[in-house]
Amino acid sequence: DIVMTQSPLSLPVTPGEPASISCRSSQSLLHSNGYNYVDWYLQKPGQSPQLLIYLGSKRASGVPDRFSGSGSGTDFTLKISRVEAEDVGVYYCMQGLHMQGLQTRTFGGGTKVEMK
Amino acid sequence: EVQLVESGGGLVQPGGSLRLSCEASGFTFIDYWMSWVRQAPGKGLEWVAIISQVSSEKYYVDSVKGRFTISRDNAKNSLYLQMSSLRDEDTAVYYCARDRRPAEYGGLAVWGQGTTVTVSS
Repeated sequence: DIVMTQSPLSLPVTPGEPASISCRSSQSLLHSNGYNYVDWYLQKPGQSPQLLIYLGSKRASGVPDRFSGSGSGTDFTLKISRVEAEDVGVYYCMQGLHMQGLQTRTFGGGTKVEMK
Repeated sequence: EVQLVESGGGLVQPGGSLRLSCEASGFTFIDYWMSWVRQAPGKGLEWVAIISQVSSEKYYVDSVKGRFTISRDNAKNSLYLQMSSLRDEDTAVYYCARDRRPAEYGGLAVWGQGTTVTVSS
């Protein structure tokens, strides 16, 4: 099974400053089609999760361009160029790789982003 | 409006059963794989199960294999999760989510509001 490990667990941020979250997978998420099957989600307090980034670097519909995803293979990063107050919540990475006919998903443990 | 609405949660005793439902609207349900994701109180997200468009493929997290069954009724635009032999550790908010299409992966782009399952005596 693929294990997703996020860091840090908690990230105090200052409005207007950049922020970065790391996610590492126990197996490569790079498919033969050239895409990395990793997503990023944000769960704001009291809400359902929302998709931010899919296939490693593609922004979901309506997601501000201050959010960006990068990385390949087993190491991935979510960056917020300038944090805004509405960005607080818990961020999760998730693998969506299909391999050997199996379709499973695994979430990272989450990173809680809060204002300093 | 694209929407997923879960129902069926509640309080159940250990060893009991419960069936969750998720009704989809605003998109072509049969085009998508669908997933269930849960979140225990104060904990992170845990993927539970996934089903293909015509139910030919179903996959589960190891902790629910043999106890939970995912199913769908495309005529009713509905997804289900039959849960049996429930344990205390199954207590969680259960979300349904729209998953991939066969030739296109777009993440879990649509989520329901969740339904709460509490397993307790």
